[in-house]
Amino acid sequence: GDSVTQMEGPVTLSEEAFLTINCTYTATGYPSLFWYVQYPGEGLQLLLKATKADDKGSNKGFEATYRKETTSFHLEKGSVQVSDSAVYFCALSDGGSSYKLIFGSGTRLLVRP
Amino acid sequence: SAVISQKPSRDICQRGTSLTIQCQVDSQVTMMFWYRQQPGQSLTLIATANQGSEATYESGFVIDKFPISRPNLTFSTLTVSNMSPEDSSIYLCSLRQGNEQYFGPGTRLTVT
Repeated sequence: GDSVTQMEGPVTLSEEAFLTINCTYTATGYPSLFWYVQYPGEGLQLLLKATKADDKGSNKGFEATYRKETTSFHLEKGSVQVSDSAVYFCALSDGGSSYKLIFGSGTRLLVRP
Repeated sequence: SAVISQKPSRDICQRGTSLTIQCQVDSQVTMMFWYRQQPGQSLTLIATANQGSEATYESGFVIDKFPISRPNLTFSTLTVSNMSPEDSSIYLCSLRQGNEQYFGPGTRLTVT
């Protein structure tokens, strides 16, 4: 079945460092891909998405490009802030009638001042 | 985007009892979903709840353990029955609106 694999955390960075969180997927069709973020004590929020190959999703300085050839959707940010400390989840939706989301295991990011 | 509220926000329950979690949405939606997030883990879909039909459960989840109601287009409930400590999780309701899926704030359940 479809699945999502994320790099294990925690990832600890200093403020203004470059961030990459790796995400790869396995899917039989042409899924849509998402990054969700969960800030401490808060609910899950959609960060960005891409619905087809070569699409780039972006939001709040974060970017991810849908790479069909490598089945990847890595999350990047050029300069992280302390406020970016959160858990990041990569997810896919197979786009079928179920519309269900399949999540990766999550990666905790800790940004130090 | 839709606003989703859940009640209760958290609860501590004794094993063997049941808890019903409510999910209220501020707009009408056809498809609602219930997810579970066990401590330190990712989210797993429990079931899909469409108004007017029986909920569809994912592998590993059964109606007797997690009965779901969907009486109208803005409301759903999930019951966690005959609880055990393994049911300690965050339970989230979710809905699909357009091409995006939104999540409620979650209900943190601790079973002692």
